[in-house]
Amino acid sequence: EAQVTQNPRYLITVTGKKLTVTCSQNMNHEYMSWYRQDPGLGLRQIYYSMNVEVTDKGDVPEGYKVSRKEKRNFPLILESPSPNQTSLYFCASSFSGQGPQETQYFGPGTRLLVL
Amino acid sequence: AQSVTQLDSHVSVSEGTPVLLRCNYSSSYSPSLFWYVQHPNKGLQLLLKYTSAATLVKGINGFEAEFKKSETSFHLTKPSAHMSDAAEYFCVVSDQVNFNKFYFGSGTKLNVKP
Repeated sequence: EAQVTQNPRYLITVTGKKLTVTCSQNMNHEYMSWYRQDPGLGLRQIYYSMNVEVTDKGDVPEGYKVSRKEKRNFPLILESPSPNQTSLYFCASSFSGQGPQETQYFGPGTRLLVL
Repeated sequence: AQSVTQLDSHVSVSEGTPVLLRCNYSSSYSPSLFWYVQHPNKGLQLLLKYTSAATLVKGINGFEAEFKKSETSFHLTKPSAHMSDAAEYFCVVSDQVNFNKFYFGSGTKLNVKP
């Protein structure tokens, strides 16, 4: 089954304790992206990757890191989480194509609480 | 710069009546526009997309949207609401130059009354 998986689905942590949220897709997509969803703000793009070893900042990259060493995986790293990073996080993937017409496929989300 | 404004944070309709969810966008270049739906505790699913072909776009589950350049709008409609349409809907914009970046509206929660 074609899908985007995220782990963990739920996470409670404390300020300053490094964490990684994994994202994996089995559709051979070149493009992957991370978003955070906060009430009343919709989804905001954190980072995206056009292909292996190619990443760039979205709208809200501060406090986050990413890497793309393999095509299928795109982990999101919080080196020193703070309470304002409490949010619902979504990973998405798509084919790159020649423009923005590609459909993004979203993972189920990771709910993070930073105390 | 790109941005999306969803004019209603909540819309409530009765089952069997029409649905209208409003979206206005701002884009410096030719936009691509999307509507995604999020059911409770689920990820997002594409409903439909506009990418400079026909201005009236048909999507899944009977939804459609019309791109109106003069009004910078991309409103989502459905002739007859079903209980299963209750969800949150997001309008999204990208464009032909910055096509790796996506900008989401703040969402519209659709409630369908029996």
